[in-house]
Amino acid sequence: DVKVTQSSRYLVKRTGEKVFLECVQDMDHENMFWYRQDPGLGLRLIYFSYDVKMKEKGDIPEGYSVSREKKERFSLILESASTNQTSMYLCASSLFGAGNMNTEAFFGQGTRLTVV
Amino acid sequence: SQKIEQNSEALNIQEGKTATLTCNYTNYSPAYLQWYRQDPGRGPVFLLLIRENEKEKRKERLKVTFDTTLKQSLFHITASQPADSATYLCALGANSGYALNFGKGTSLLVTP
Repeated sequence: DVKVTQSSRYLVKRTGEKVFLECVQDMDHENMFWYRQDPGLGLRLIYFSYDVKMKEKGDIPEGYSVSREKKERFSLILESASTNQTSMYLCASSLFGAGNMNTEAFFGQGTRLTVV
Repeated sequence: SQKIEQNSEALNIQEGKTATLTCNYTNYSPAYLQWYRQDPGRGPVFLLLIRENEKEKRKERLKVTFDTTLKQSLFHITASQPADSATYLCALGANSGYALNFGKGTSLLVTP
């Protein structure tokens, strides 16, 4: 059974802390993504990676960075957590198919982060 | 800018009826479109993918249509059941290539 696993289901951090959200996939997928999901705003792409050590900014990268040192692991880093980063964070992976077409994305269970 | 629009109002239907959800998009030239289901507190789960040269795709009680002229996809659930209650998201590949952009989703409630 294919899996995307996020390190924490719930997390509470203090303002100003450096926060690491970890994501691991076991499907040998090239692409990995970090989204955040907020009520009324839907899923918004923060960063994605199409290969090891490669990363691209999504729509809302400010205040975040990422790391992909190994193909199966994609980490999201909140450099200095702020209350407006309280959200549900979702990691996903996909296989890059032929014809420049992504196949289906597999999502992790999500990390609900609260910054106090 | 690229936009994906789904009906923000929840759709309430009676068990056994057909649910129809709409996804409209602008400033995309998508090669494909995907539909996902999301239950509260969980990550989205892939349902169907339809390519630009396909008019219709079916999977069990699910049917998706894709009209690139109207820039619209319709998602149908026939013989709906209370277990179909969830939020349904459509997704398009961004013109830049790799990433998937999602609509905000439509909540479906199927009552017995």
